[in-house]
Order: sequence, then C-alpha cells, then structure tokens
Amino acid sequence: EVHLVESGGGLAQPGRSLRLSCSASGFNFDDYAMHWVRQAPGKGLEWVSGISWNSGDTVYADSVKGRFTISRDNAKNSLYLQMNSLTPEDTGLYFCAKLLAAAGTGPFDYWGQGTLVTVSS
Amino acid sequence: DIQLTQSPPSLSASVGDRATITCRASQNIDTYLNWYQHKPGGKGPKLLIYAVSTLQSGVPSRFSGSGFGTDFNLTITSVQPEDFATYYCQQSFDTTSITFGQGTRLEIE
Repeated sequence: EVHLVESGGGLAQPGRSLRLSCSASGFNFDDYAMHWVRQAPGKGLEWVSGISWNSGDTVYADSVKGRFTISRDNAKNSLYLQMNSLTPEDTGLYFCAKLLAAAGTGPFDYWGQGTLVTVSS
Repeated sequence: DIQLTQSPPSLSASVGDRATITCRASQNIDTYLNWYQHKPGGKGPKLLIYAVSTLQSGVPSRFSGSGFGTDFNLTITSVQPEDFATYYCQQSFDTTSITFGQGTRLEIE
C-alpha cells in the first residue's frame, strides 16, 4: 500500500526558513515524479513545485520561484522542500503527491496527509 | 498560466439527487483535466477522474466526467452521504504550471 508522510512543518517567523520532508513507501519511489501542493487556511489547492524521477527537471509556481527548492533522495525514498524567505502568504497545509504515471504529466494518484506551516511574527 | 473556473462555488443537494459541477479552462487543454474530492480532517485529496473521463480505480461508477478543450463536467448521478465534500478540477496540460480550480463545495440540502 502506498504511503506518503510529510513532516517538518511548524511555526516560522517571516524571512526565516523551513525544510519539509515527505517519506514514501509502497511503490518504486525512483520511478515517479513527485510534487508539492499547498492549501492556505480556508482556501483552495495551489500547486507549488514538482521534480522528475531523476531530479533532472524541476518546476515551480511563480509564487515560490527563487525562494523554494525541491529535491529528492531516491536512496532514502524521500522528497524535500526547502522553503526560504518565508512570508505569511506561505502559511498553509503542505501535501506531497505522487504522479499517477511513471513519467510525463498527469494527475496525482496518492497524497500525504499534509504538514502545517505557519508563518507569523 | 491556464486559469480554471469552477461553477457553482457551492452546491446544495439531497441524497439521491444528481449533481453537476462545471470547470472551464482559459485555453484549450485537450483532455488534460482531472477531478479530485477533498474532505476536511487531515487527509489529502482523492483522485476521482483523470483525462476527463477515466474513473480512478475504486471510485464508484456514480461519478463520471465529460468534456473536451475548455469545458468540462463532473457528474454524480445519485449523491450519497459520503459524497459531501469539496471538489476540484486540475489541468495537467501545462507541465510547467499546474493549476486547480477554486473548488466547489457540495453541501447537504
């Protein structure tokens, strides 16, 4: 059974950094692209970033480009999101998500339960 | 970026009703349109339908999707108590900027 478990969320002051992790199990992690999606309190879903199976391609939403860095360690079945220069607008529940297909584009078939990030002074 | 506009923002229905949610894209996205169900309480969204009309494994057949290009629908033929949730469409046509609709909340009438 596929499991995605996020961690690393918490309270951070504006301008500070946080690093989120996502631990994956139940599938061949190094075969699939992975993504981060967030949900601000009371708002809808917002795609944040994605990374290809071999880390060769990374993409970011304009709202986080230059501040966030996605990475993965296939040996550890883990996905990461380094978040720098945090602002209150980055507050929300952060989900990691697995792509349905092994490559290319498409929907996300498995999601974690999310980790909460709060940016406040 | 490709914008997705869902309507209505909220929908009231009774058990057994037919419910339809619409998603309109700001440009042609071919069949790169997916639907998710999201319930509160610390779980991620659930994939219902991908590529416009393909039912994800384990999803009940009362859910269906249709459309092409810019206009898409999600239909629940007979709403069940467990279907009350928020529904999102998502486009995966633009691989550099994936976008979601703003969501439609299905509420008990």
